[in-house]
Amino acid sequence: DAGVTQSPTHLIKTRGQQVTLRCSPKSGHDTVSWYQQALGQGPQFIFQYYEEEERQRGNFPDRFSGHQFPNYSSELNVNALLLGDSALYLCASSLVNQPQHFGDGTRLSIL
Amino acid sequence: RKEVEQDPGPFNVPEGATVAFNCTYSNSASQSFFWYRQDCRKEPKLLMSVYSSGNEDGRFTAQLNRASQYISLLIRDSKLSDSATYLCVVNYGSGGSQGNLIFGKGTKLSVKP
Repeated sequence: DAGVTQSPTHLIKTRGQQVTLRCSPKSGHDTVSWYQQALGQGPQFIFQYYEEEERQRGNFPDRFSGHQFPNYSSELNVNALLLGDSALYLCASSLVNQPQHFGDGTRLSIL
Repeated sequence: RKEVEQDPGPFNVPEGATVAFNCTYSNSASQSFFWYRQDCRKEPKLLMSVYSSGNEDGRFTAQLNRASQYISLLIRDSKLSDSATYLCVVNYGSGGSQGNLIFGKGTKLSVKP
């Protein structure tokens, strides 16, 4: 039973570029959440998807957008990358009223 | 004031020690509570949910005081493998599935031989 899987593992981009990160939820999970974790900080909630719609959003600019597909997998897109977007991006999946389980994350470095 | 505040670390303890982590949260609407552990450069992993009646899982005991908005985690008989960062987490939904998990900054624990 595969857990939450994310790709790629690492990514290096330059300022102004765009990036797409991918997440496959744990088998049977229908809800996907994305978090950003800067060095030395706890994860910060970006948004959550359920039934292919953004259900809740944290305090992130519109440069951060996402999508959920019919198979429950999800993408996180970030446009016009800034140096401050360098972080570990975590995807978590869950079922209703169950705790969220995290993938290994994508480490994004902006040069 | 941050929504979730934890003891500043790091905690450096010898094997076999008992260590306690404390956490406070500011929003009384919080419904569910968790401790996650995070190893260096890895993802957070759910350690345990925290219930009002208190709960225990082996060497780990979690307590919740809703009136004081206070959560604790006690680790008895520390092992080297307990070395990690412990994250206190609250959520406005029941069960923790609903969107915004709110994390503390984490407290780093190092268990020494």
